Amino acid sequence: DAKTTQPPSMDCAEGRAANLPCNHSTISGNEYVYWYRQIHSQGPQYIIHGLKNNETNEMASLIITEDRKSSTLILPHATLRDTAVYYCIVRVRSNFGNEKLTFGTGTRLTIIP
Amino acid sequence: DAGVIQSPRHEVTEMGQEVTLRCKPISGHDYLFWYRQTMMRGLELLIYFNNNVPIDDSGMPEDRFSAKMPNASFSTLKIQPSEPRDSAVYFCASSLLRHGYTFGSGTRLTVV
Repeated sequence: DAKTTQPPSMDCAEGRAANLPCNHSTISGNEYVYWYRQIHSQGPQYIIHGLKNNETNEMASLIITEDRKSSTLILPHATLRDTAVYYCIVRVRSNFGNEKLTFGTGTRLTIIP
Repeated sequence: DAGVIQSPRHEVTEMGQEVTLRCKPISGHDYLFWYRQTMMRGLELLIYFNNNVPIDDSGMPEDRFSAKMPNASFSTLKIQPSEPRDSAVYFCASSLLRHGYTFGSGTRLTVV
């Protein structure tokens, strides 16, 4: 699976949009981009994933560049409850297993009141 | 849906004792994963199962660790004998093929 690079930490003001970048310059054509977050002392939580089109759900939006070498997770109106470590993961989704996710060190996002 | 259920939430044991962690995945999910998290090493995948069959156990640290999934609704992770360096939070997660994972709340293990 392709390696990802994320900033170790970021701050964002409450109510503002939080934009979390991820670099995955070695991504292959069949690799998806996944985002998870982990709030202190809890298990990681799935947020969103995409292949090449932008995606949006009730939690966030995922913007993937046209060359797919980087992506941005957007939390449109950050709240204090969004303070967490955010993980960007790239992996192949096969039809025959190999479903494992490898977590890096992520970005520690702190929402400032 | 109660989500992925892990027990116990906290476990304190003495070095050399056997420890068993338990996990009940979400009904209908066909994948089950065991992860370990420490400050030094972050989240590490230990082993995962597909339809109750172990697929990849390359992350299991050594022979002291073993995992089983006797049926689709239950899995155990056993450490025997336990050592202080096994102290960590152990997470279980389940998923359907090509969907996102759902993690449990974890078991915080302390070996003294």
